[in-house]
Amino acid sequence: DQQVKQNSPSLSVQEGRISILNCDYTNSMFDYFLWYKKYPAEGPTFLISISSIKDKNEDGRFTVFLNKSAKHLSLHIVPSQPGDSAVYFCAASAPGGADGLTFGKGTHLIIQP
Amino acid sequence: GAGVSQSPRYKVAKRGQDVALRCDPISGHVSLFWYQQALGQGPEFLTYFQNEAQLDKSGLPSDRFFAERPEGSVSTLKIQRTQQEDSAVYLCASSLGRVTEAFFGQGTRLTVV
Repeated sequence: DQQVKQNSPSLSVQEGRISILNCDYTNSMFDYFLWYKKYPAEGPTFLISISSIKDKNEDGRFTVFLNKSAKHLSLHIVPSQPGDSAVYFCAASAPGGADGLTFGKGTHLIIQP
Repeated sequence: GAGVSQSPRYKVAKRGQDVALRCDPISGHVSLFWYQQALGQGPEFLTYFQNEAQLDKSGLPSDRFFAERPEGSVSTLKIQRTQQEDSAVYLCASSLGRVTEAFFGQGTRLTVV
């Protein structure tokens, strides 16, 4: 049973437009959420995070929104650039439990010129 | 180097062979994590060290998997009597603490033939 779900395996967006990547989770104990970006043959790179006490965190072109009641978070990238083409993983952490992160399966974002 | 370093990058093992995968974390990072990423999936937590102490090994799939970090820096993940289902990318990550963003290495791609 997947605790972190990314239901879109891929997403294609035109350069300059907004990219919205979605993530749902089932474990209400998760209190910290992260987004990672991964290029082929490289390890995941940390992008942005949000604590469960917040509903929004912004860093440059990247904004993460958290809706705890819906157990949903989203990553907005605006404007989208060609270098944003990568696989994006949503990950979550729970206090007191396993100290690792629980990852979704990833969404492959393709930025079209 | 400044990042997490893993070796070898690629490993081909015959079924039944033992393998050892190495991780050099970022200097000063207390926490070290191992993950397994199967094709088309997100990384899955294997084990967690805080300095030399292995605090969580709940993700290790069988007793053929063993990890150590004897001096609190370099870590080795050992897989005994490899099976085809062990084929995956093994990722190592380190961080200053549990909730801070973890930095990943490039991974070791293990193929068992």
